[in-house]
Amino acid sequence: GNSVTQMEGPVTLSEEAFLTINCTYTATGYPSLFWYVQYPGEGLQLLLKATKADDKGSNKGFEATYRKETTSFHLEKGSVQVSDSAVYFCALSEDNRLAFGKGNQVVVIP
Amino acid sequence: DAGITQSPRYKITETGRQVTLMCHQTWSHSYMFWYRQDLGHGLRLIYYSAAADITDKGEVPDGYVVSRSKTENFPLTLESATRSQTSVYFCASSDQGSITEAFFGQGTRLTVV
Repeated sequence: GNSVTQMEGPVTLSEEAFLTINCTYTATGYPSLFWYVQYPGEGLQLLLKATKADDKGSNKGFEATYRKETTSFHLEKGSVQVSDSAVYFCALSEDNRLAFGKGNQVVVIP
Repeated sequence: DAGITQSPRYKITETGRQVTLMCHQTWSHSYMFWYRQDLGHGLRLIYYSAAADITDKGEVPDGYVVSRSKTENFPLTLESATRSQTSVYFCASSDQGSITEAFFGQGTRLTVV
């Protein structure tokens, strides 16, 4: 079946640093790709999405581009803030449901 | 209140007991989902439903039962709780399955002792 792989381990960085979280996928067909964010004590919420190859999703300064040739959907932000501290999940669509990666905790230090 | 709500937010139960987690959404979304979140595993789909009276297994359905007699409710029952079912459970809903955004509840933290 379809699956998503996220880089291992938490990410700790200083405020205003550049953030990259890697996400690669395995899929038959052409799934939609998503990034969800989970702030402490809350449920997940959609951060951005892309529905076809070469689409770029963007929101709140975050961006990710659907790369079919490398089967990737890496999340980037040019200058993080303390308020970006959260867990970030990559996901793809599969038969009317979402398959999630394991998530990456991001900690931004002032 | 509009949205998707889960109850209870926290629950402690004993091994072998039956426990039901509730999920209610006010948007009349067709699809509803139950996930569990565990360290090192991320979110794993337990069951989902495409409409009232239609349910299907996800990745980790064993030990769980769901029903959907009304579009807005999707309860999850642990028939005989085990310690391995200690987890945070999230309910979600969406209008068109995985094509559109899924909206998540705040979660239920279940501890089985």
